[in-house]
Amino acid sequence: EVQLVESGGGLVKPGGSLRLSCAASGFSFSAYAMNWVRQAPGKGLEWVSSITGSSAYVYYADSLKGRFTISRDNAKNSLYLQLNSLRADDTAVYYCTREDADGDYNWFDPWGQGTLVTVSS
Amino acid sequence: DIQMTQSPSSLSASVGDRVTIACRASQSISDYLNWYQQKPGKAPELLIFAASSLQSGVPSRFSGSGSGTDFTLTISSLQPEDFAIYYCQQSYSIPITFGPGTRLEIK
Repeated sequence: EVQLVESGGGLVKPGGSLRLSCAASGFSFSAYAMNWVRQAPGKGLEWVSSITGSSAYVYYADSLKGRFTISRDNAKNSLYLQLNSLRADDTAVYYCTREDADGDYNWFDPWGQGTLVTVSS
Repeated sequence: DIQMTQSPSSLSASVGDRVTIACRASQSISDYLNWYQQKPGKAPELLIFAASSLQSGVPSRFSGSGSGTDFTLTISSLQPEDFAIYYCQQSYSIPITFGPGTRLEIK
């Protein structure tokens, strides 16, 4: 069974840092690009970042302005998101999701259960 | 960035109804359009990819259509488990963007 399990969320003060992890199982992790998507409380979905299978290419939402860093360790079947200089508007559930593809088409499936990051003093 | 809009933002319907949700892109995205369903407290789940391809395991009452800038998600006969929020998402270009969602509620 394909499974993604996030961890590392919690309460952090404004300006603080946090590292999120996503443990993958049930598929050949290195063969897939992976993404982070977040959802603020009561709001919609916002794409955060993407990393290719070999880590050769990474992409970020413009709004993050260099504060977040995506990485992966294929030997550990794990995806990471380093969150720095956190602000109140970064408060959200952060989802890890696999990018599945067929030719030029790609989509997110499956998704992890999410980990909540709360930025508050 | 490609902006995605959805209409309506919310919809009340009854079990057995046929429902259509619209999604519009701010520029042509060919058929690089996906649909997700999200239930309260749960992660989103993929329903439709490439505008009209049904994800494995998704009931056939769900269907997608469209190309270019205008897309639709149709549920042919609503079931109790279909009451949820539906999001469209474009995969044509980075940054990937989602529509704001359509909340489907029980009438």
